[in-house]
Amino acid sequence: GESVGLHLPTLSVQEGDNSIINCAYSNSASDYFIWYKQESGKGPQFIIDIRSNMDKRQGQRVTVLLNKTVKHLSLQIAATQPGDSAVYFCAEATGSARQLTFGSGTQLTVLP
Amino acid sequence: KAGVTQTPRYLIKTRGQQVTLSCSPISGHRSVSWYQQTPGQGLQFLFEYFSETQRNKGNFPGRFSGRQFSNSRSEMNVSTLELGDSALYLCASSLVANNYGYTFGSGTRLTVV
Repeated sequence: GESVGLHLPTLSVQEGDNSIINCAYSNSASDYFIWYKQESGKGPQFIIDIRSNMDKRQGQRVTVLLNKTVKHLSLQIAATQPGDSAVYFCAEATGSARQLTFGSGTQLTVLP
Repeated sequence: KAGVTQTPRYLIKTRGQQVTLSCSPISGHRSVSWYQQTPGQGLQFLFEYFSETQRNKGNFPGRFSGRQFSNSRSEMNVSTLELGDSALYLCASSLVANNYGYTFGSGTRLTVV
């Protein structure tokens, strides 16, 4: 995942707009990617995942795009709602490793 | 069904002490993983247990250890606590090993003073 720093990248969007959260990963051998949402005081919550043999996967109001050429992952949230305000993490894994490597996270704030 | 339960939710310890954190996975889940979350380092993998066996360990010193019981409940232990061990410790469970469909608990907030 991304190098981790003390300050989270932030993204502010108006309620009803679409949000795009980006993530760069480092391991070209990673073959599985997940997006998590973490609200204050809670553990990460699974949003959507994608395997490396796919470029795009859609869920309810969310879409994940994977660009293996530039090792980039994005999460698109349609019609962002106040309840979407949280920290979003991407995570990567390889088939042989029994662990997730998390990115540093992005703080999403939905403005009324 | 009940989610992943971690106890205690909050803990304050003094440097040099040791601490044990507990995790009860979702019923039927046999794999338990532990992660440490800090503002500086983010979420980092500690270890994974499946069927009472440690399957993988992250890059943490030997002061960090864990175990899993026959009912899949897991504990992690940190000995000789340091200030830098202050963190949110998260437990995640999944049905089988190497399945990343984790469900995370809400974590134990450890503060070392």
